[in-house]
Amino acid sequence: DADVTQTPRNRITKTGKRIMLECSQTKGHDRMYWYRQDPGLGLRLIYYSFDVKDINKGEISDGYSVSRQAQAKFSLSLESAIPNQTALYFCATSDLNTEAFFGQGTRLTVV
Amino acid sequence: AQSVSQHNHHVILSEAASLELGCNYSYGGTVNLFWYVQYPGQHLQLLLKYFSGDPLVKGIKGFEAEFIKSKFSFNLRKPSVQWSDTAEYFCAVNGYTGTASKLTFGTGTRLQVTL
Repeated sequence: DADVTQTPRNRITKTGKRIMLECSQTKGHDRMYWYRQDPGLGLRLIYYSFDVKDINKGEISDGYSVSRQAQAKFSLSLESAIPNQTALYFCATSDLNTEAFFGQGTRLTVV
Repeated sequence: AQSVSQHNHHVILSEAASLELGCNYSYGGTVNLFWYVQYPGQHLQLLLKYFSGDPLVKGIKGFEAEFIKSKFSFNLRKPSVQWSDTAEYFCAVNGYTGTASKLTFGTGTRLQVTL
């Protein structure tokens, strides 16, 4: 089983719809992250969390919200999806002195 | 604010050529440094990491990187690339303030290796 699991893997949704991307990890790490990847822009940080009670905005948090339901679960929501949120989304987890471990990604298309 | 710059956006090399990809970061405190690789259609995988100690670190598949603190650089090298190295490469920095940290990525370098 993968250390970091993202669901769904692919999603097409309509403009204005609410959508949630889910992430769970079995590494036992405290830190979890959500990134989006766009061609030529690399990975940009949306939100990150050091533990269940500590959630921080990244560089591009507008239009997104997150929930850390448990140490192992970190979900990303788009309250009202728009086409420029079409991207590849990655969840990752790490600890204080480890590298980040990534999920397989969710390809989201907003039409 | 913490940031990472990758100077080469697209690199094309012939097989057996040597590779060097540049990475510079800006952060005044303690950092951990990483290079990740993303093969087409896949997620990011760790190539190598620097936490402390010897600034020359070796990773998987013959890659290495050198941390030069005075230049805020962490360049990736490989003496002889293979066609299978075709992928996108990302440099990342985890800058610490106490135990708080943030993992920031560069914009990536697309490497194309031709036969």
